[in-house]
Amino acid sequence: AQKITQTQPGMFVQEKEAVTLDCTYDTSDPSYGLFWYKQPSSGEMIFLIYQGSYDQQNATEGRYSLNFQKARKSANLVISASQLGDSAMYFCAMRGVDSSYKLIFGSGTRLLVRP
Amino acid sequence: DVKVTQSSRYLVKRTGEKVFLECVQDMDHENMFWYRQDPGLGLRLIYFSYDVKMKEKGDIPEGYSVSREKKERFSLILESASTNQTSMYLCASSLSTGAGGRRQETQYFGPGTRLLVL
Repeated sequence: AQKITQTQPGMFVQEKEAVTLDCTYDTSDPSYGLFWYKQPSSGEMIFLIYQGSYDQQNATEGRYSLNFQKARKSANLVISASQLGDSAMYFCAMRGVDSSYKLIFGSGTRLLVRP
Repeated sequence: DVKVTQSSRYLVKRTGEKVFLECVQDMDHENMFWYRQDPGLGLRLIYFSYDVKMKEKGDIPEGYSVSREKKERFSLILESASTNQTSMYLCASSLSTGAGGRRQETQYFGPGTRLLVL
């Protein structure tokens, strides 16, 4: 069975500093995709970044980067130069080949950026 | 930019009422999804559709039905609303790109509907 684990229910970071949100996963699929989403208090789920299991390089999107360590089955999100608007819930999710369309979500990490 | 819209941000209904939640996407995506999100339980898939008139049950389909008559529109129906269906409902759509192990299907979400059943 596939599973996503986010062990940090909440985190603080000082504005302009970098922060790492942890995500580990478990799957027997040889090929899979990993996603990070941001959910502000307004409720919408915003796609941030994607990493494919075959991708050789870590994904980056602006201030977001994904620290992908396949052997350790971890896909941590790094946010550089935190901004007040980064305060939100962050979800790690996974799709497996056999799972076809379904995304498995972690329980989320609430990030609070301090001014 | 992908745009997924949902008919209501907030909805209050009474027990036993029939409830329709509408979702529309403007990017010609084949796949559409309905999730519910509850504290402590995370996001759970209710139903999804991979083509017009096609639907598949997700993890928690009981008490719900769906309709997809047009590619851009995916409706979630609560035939007889109950208090345990009070939740945040999120619609998403995706387009399959790549093939096999390199297939990427990023799901893009709507703003969500907070439903309260009294």
